[in-house]
Amino acid sequence: SQQGEEDPQALSIQEGENATMNCSYKTSINNLQWYRQNSGRGLVHLILIRSNEREKHSGRLRVTLDTSKKSSSLLITASRAADTASYFCATVDRGSTLGRLYFGRGTQLTVWP
Amino acid sequence: GAVVSQHPSWVICKSGTSVKIECRSLDFQATTMFWYRQFPKQSLMLMATSNEGSKATYEQGVEKDKFLINHASLTLSTLTVTSAHPEDSSFYICSLMPRHWGSNYGYTFGSGTRLTVV
Repeated sequence: SQQGEEDPQALSIQEGENATMNCSYKTSINNLQWYRQNSGRGLVHLILIRSNEREKHSGRLRVTLDTSKKSSSLLITASRAADTASYFCATVDRGSTLGRLYFGRGTQLTVWP
Repeated sequence: GAVVSQHPSWVICKSGTSVKIECRSLDFQATTMFWYRQFPKQSLMLMATSNEGSKATYEQGVEKDKFLINHASLTLSTLTVTSAHPEDSSFYICSLMPRHWGSNYGYTFGSGTRLTVV
């Protein structure tokens, strides 16, 4: 089953602008992960934030996590045309013994040169 | 990170036939693999968790007899779509659980298999 919603469903920006995507989830989590998927391809792991963390950075990526609101955001700064892809958040439930990963609906990001 | 190989990348089959998709872990022994399906412009739906040496754990609503999963070795899991029908046409993706999934490691995904049933 899916975990939650991503917002917006689609985002279109110019190169150089920042892109912000939001994700909400429903359960208590162990961690939340963001993935990127180019059209018709597999997923690439971008960043993982644990439930006891509030913010994490990796290069041009910044992820925040608010467990009280059950939400996360992914910020891509100084976007490039090559960032065009679908972005998904995914969660592992707290106490999960199988480590199952459940995905949100995703945000389709288009960056125009 | 881990490396996973998924084959075939695409397959077209006739309605009523069966199709096998392979997912191989190339650089470590994966006791647990996951299978997802994805419809166009939609998210990934977890179908089942594949455990080496034991029966797969299927998500609610997924037909066990329709989607046969075999995880006979620590490096190979297979998904067989039996008696495929056009509504089974989808993008199927496997994933490896990292060795230390409770820490900071993300999951590794195969490149996916586009199944078209005609």
